[in-house]
Amino acid sequence: QVQLQESGPRLVKPSETLSLSCTVSGGSITSYYWNWIRLTPEKGLEWIGYVFSSGSTNYNPSLRSRVAISVDTSKKYFSLKLSSVTAADTAVYYCARASCCGAKMGFDFWGQGTQVTVSS
Amino acid sequence: DVVMTQSPLSLPVTLGQPASISCRSNQSLVDSDGGAYLNWFQRRPGQSPRRLIYKVSNRDSGVPDRFSGSGSGTDFTLKISRVEAEDVGVYYCMQGTHSLTFGGGTKVEIK
Repeated sequence: QVQLQESGPRLVKPSETLSLSCTVSGGSITSYYWNWIRLTPEKGLEWIGYVFSSGSTNYNPSLRSRVAISVDTSKKYFSLKLSSVTAADTAVYYCARASCCGAKMGFDFWGQGTQVTVSS
Repeated sequence: DVVMTQSPLSLPVTLGQPASISCRSNQSLVDSDGGAYLNWFQRRPGQSPRRLIYKVSNRDSGVPDRFSGSGSGTDFTLKISRVEAEDVGVYYCMQGTHSLTFGGGTKVEIK
């Protein structure tokens, strides 16, 4: 059974960069789309972007200027960097796997989520 | 941008009774391959989201057959034939045809 585990700082200061990692276990990291999604009370679920195992990426247009997602297939993890954060970036951040088609069919495995708060 | 609108926002249901959630998009979700990439997710209290239905009507492995998806174009529906206590949670539709966007969610609760 594929398992995903998020890790990273829970508290980030405004204007700084949010950095999270997601470790993949129980399955292959190759040939899948590795996604970041966040949940807020105000906006609900919001897709941030994905990295394919080859390293190609696709981002939500509304966040594209601040997002970078990368993958390390040898160590079986992928990472999110979100720059210039504000309080609006406070959310539960999930990593998730998509098996097909640029994530068009959604996500079949999810991490447990990690709460990140942006505050000074 | 494709906007996904779900209704109702809240859905109180009696155990054993059916439930229906609507999801509408402001653009057709028919892709260049002829398929519509409309998916449904369930988020139970305290849990991560879980995909129930992909590509309008395909149930994920392990999802009870009381869940069904239907629709086409811009109008889609998730139905629960007989609501059970474990179905309490928030349900989201998500389109994958034009980038990826979620609906705002529908909270299902027991009356």
